[in-house]
Amino acid sequence: KAGVTQTPRYLIKTRGQQVTLSCSPISGHRSVSWYQQTPGQGLQFLFEYFSETQRNKGNFPGRFSGRQFSNSRSEMNVSTLELGDSALYLCASSFSQQVGSGNTIYFGEGSWLTVV
Amino acid sequence: TQLLEQSPQFLSIQEGENLTVYCNSSSVFSSLQWYRQEPGEGPVLLVTVVTGGEVKKLKRLTFQFGDARKDSSLHITAAQPGDTGLYLCAGALSQGAQKLVFGQGTRLTINP
Repeated sequence: KAGVTQTPRYLIKTRGQQVTLSCSPISGHRSVSWYQQTPGQGLQFLFEYFSETQRNKGNFPGRFSGRQFSNSRSEMNVSTLELGDSALYLCASSFSQQVGSGNTIYFGEGSWLTVV
Repeated sequence: TQLLEQSPQFLSIQEGENLTVYCNSSSVFSSLQWYRQEPGEGPVLLVTVVTGGEVKKLKRLTFQFGDARKDSSLHITAAQPGDTGLYLCAGALSQGAQKLVFGQGTRLTINP
């Protein structure tokens, strides 16, 4: 079956602009989470969605937002981009919210965002 | 403050040697996962450990979860160049939420 699909794969934006990243989870998966990966901070949790509801949110400013649609597809938006937002943004999906054996979390290849 | 301390951050060894990567925390995790990430790709799950003291083996890789569920280790026996990559540990503080806390990662290089 197809994996987690993220679009776009690469993009360059200017400071002050906004960006929307898209994630299509594996078919049948209802839980989607987003992470930011940078060389300095590593992987940091952004938010988690299940059945169109945000279940958890990480320690990121309000410029970072997201949503999930009825088909489980998810988008995240970053407004008023800053240089420090340059990162790999990873989406992950799983069948349920449970973390543990039997519920594998699958990551997409990520969207590389460069802010200039 | 890093909730999960992973060490070493960089490791370069010769083919055939053994190595151990550690993840330590003062927090208790409901489960801990190990991932491997290749350049330009997302992390790929290697194993999930759930029970304190649990040991899982995946060919030459041995994963252990501490008795108190606060730490974990990954041991690779007879490392091969194909083992080269970024290894990440990630802990789940709650079983009912997908909020994973990641270690900084160990960049492993196996030299032929």
